[in-house]
Amino acid sequence: SYELAQPPSVSVSPGQTVSITCSGNNLGNKYAYWYQQKPGQSPVLLIYQDTKRPSGIPERFSGSNSGNTATLTISGTQAMDEADYYCLAWDSNTGVFGTGTKVTVL
Amino acid sequence: QVQLVQSGAEVTEPGASVKLSCKASGYTFNTYYMHWVRQAPGQGLEWMGIINPGGDSTTYAQRFQGRLTMTRDTSTSTVYMELSGLRSEDTAVYYCAREYVDTLTYQFGMDVWGQGTTVTVSS
Repeated sequence: SYELAQPPSVSVSPGQTVSITCSGNNLGNKYAYWYQQKPGQSPVLLIYQDTKRPSGIPERFSGSNSGNTATLTISGTQAMDEADYYCLAWDSNTGVFGTGTKVTVL
Repeated sequence: QVQLVQSGAEVTEPGASVKLSCKASGYTFNTYYMHWVRQAPGQGLEWMGIINPGGDSTTYAQRFQGRLTMTRDTSTSTVYMELSGLRSEDTAVYYCAREYVDTLTYQFGMDVWGQGTTVTVSS
């Protein structure tokens, strides 16, 4: 079955840039989606179709996807961005979430 | 406003079945697909399956084949998820989430989520 690997955790200082990777076989040939989840809350869609932001999502969130890796970048990280982040891709008509990355804003 | 409101928490025993509901409002119900996603305590998100707007097509994750049934009732704008043969590992928060898919089958992501339903399986 298809798998998507993410680093378990990353840390970033306020105002800095952090990138979260999502690795999967030929992921660049699929669309990647990114979700943010804060403790006790439902997930929120951040990025769809690799690079697109839904309305209401701040411009500091951006995405890319090439080769075997999709990347979510948070520019000018704010304390409110501390959360878990999950990538998702589709393989054989089934959804696969990444393992998740906890972002800590120090 | 657009929202998905899920049914309340369930406590059930191993081997039993549970049927959860997800009521949509604020948008045209029969233009969106609906997913179910679950999250075990302290764990990540797990995609379970999807049902199309007409309710006549479903796709389930392989690991739930034979145990999972998704249905939708257009008259009440409600989607249902029934999971049978419950075991302790099915203890989780279960979410419904909508997604728009255009005529070219491009997916636009799960943009609205329910509040989640906690299911506890314990003897």
